[in-house]
Amino acid sequence: GAVVSQHPSWVICKSGTSVKIECRSLDFQATTMFWYRQFPKQSLMLMATSNEGSKATYEQGVEKDKFLINHASLTLSTLTVTSAHPEDSSFYICSAREDGYSPLHFGNGTRLTVT
Amino acid sequence: TQLLEQSPQFLSIQEGENLTVYCNSSSVFSSLQWYRQEPGEGPVLLVTVVTGGEVKKLKRLTFQFGDARKDSSLHITAAQPGDTGLYLCAGADAGGTSYGKLTFGQGTILTVHP
Repeated sequence: GAVVSQHPSWVICKSGTSVKIECRSLDFQATTMFWYRQFPKQSLMLMATSNEGSKATYEQGVEKDKFLINHASLTLSTLTVTSAHPEDSSFYICSAREDGYSPLHFGNGTRLTVT
Repeated sequence: TQLLEQSPQFLSIQEGENLTVYCNSSSVFSSLQWYRQEPGEGPVLLVTVVTGGEVKKLKRLTFQFGDARKDSSLHITAAQPGDTGLYLCAGADAGGTSYGKLTFGQGTILTVHP
């Protein structure tokens, strides 16, 4: 079945540095990828929708200059957390779908800890 | 903005008991998905319901989509410790540029004690 790979699975960084998280669709081409943020024991909060070859669409309240999203190919989207701060520590999850009628497939998430 | 109200938020039961989780909205969804998530992992799709009034069964799990496609329920019969996890309902927008974009409920943390 379709697999979405997310890397790294966990990362620890110092405050003020930037961190890049990758989301890859391994056996299908993903025209759209979604990025979510999840706090402990809470639901997923959609951050942005990433369409290949175009600018990402950010949800209200999500800083586009803080969370840079690049979807340069049909199999890869990246989320870069710039100038990370401890409050950015969270579980980040991506999902991908082949087209508008396909089901979503989720990555296994990335645990970001900013010290 | 579409909202999905999921309840209860927490559920702690004994092995063998039955339980039901609800998702309600004032909005119509083209489809509704139920996911189960383990700590430190991504959500895993359990089922997708598309047609109003649809009922789907997955072993001890029964999923129902409301006639108006605004609400859904998940019923687990004879719960087992292996059912423990975070259950999420998610509604898919009907169309436009946001097609396929999911609105998640708040989640239900289920703990089944042996």
